[in-house]
Amino acid sequence: QQQVKQSPQSLIVQKGGIPIINCAYENTAFDYFPWYQQFPGKGPALLIAIRPDVSEKKEGRFTISFNKSAKQFSLHIMDSQPGDSATYFCAATNAGNNRKLIWGLGTSLAVNP
Amino acid sequence: DAGVIQSPRHEVTEMGQEVTLRCKPISGHDYLFWYRQTMMRGLELLIYFNNNVPIDDSGMPEDRFSAKMPNASFSTLKIQPSEPRDSAVYFCASSKNLGTGSYEQYFGPGTRLTVT
Repeated sequence: QQQVKQSPQSLIVQKGGIPIINCAYENTAFDYFPWYQQFPGKGPALLIAIRPDVSEKKEGRFTISFNKSAKQFSLHIMDSQPGDSATYFCAATNAGNNRKLIWGLGTSLAVNP
Repeated sequence: DAGVIQSPRHEVTEMGQEVTLRCKPISGHDYLFWYRQTMMRGLELLIYFNNNVPIDDSGMPEDRFSAKMPNASFSTLKIQPSEPRDSAVYFCASSKNLGTGSYEQYFGPGTRLTVT
């Protein structure tokens, strides 16, 4: 029940494409769903996060879509750029988890010029 | 703010040796997390502290691993004795309870550990 399943494991798109990364969870008590971005040689950094009271959140070219009934959420990157090439992690938690994030296994994204 | 500081950035050691990784969290943050990252297992939470007290160490792989947080500005992760399978990148992260439901964790640059 604590798992977060992320797919695909890797993704290659052309510049300007819209990569989509999906995550699914089982614990209906989760109420915070962040996406982290990690560049090679760096630690992960928060990209965008959503709570289940909204179905979509946009920050710049990054959008989270949230489907509470399906227990799924996804990250869309509009007009992707080579600089977006990184590993993306989804995660989930709730107050009962005392700040412990449950992480997906990550998606390696390559955006070709 | 300097962000989360980790040292050393790289560590190469021989099997059986003791390894100590260090972390300085962001000032004012009251949560500290230790993670291990490998290609095979992804990002694993090893242990985390709240106000210097260990809250959950269920991710610590075995007794060879230990972590301490003697004060709000310093934490160590020790491996004794080290084994080749401990080779990984170890991250420290910190977080602050804002009371807003934000759980953002700020990660350090990591320590790349190689055990030969």
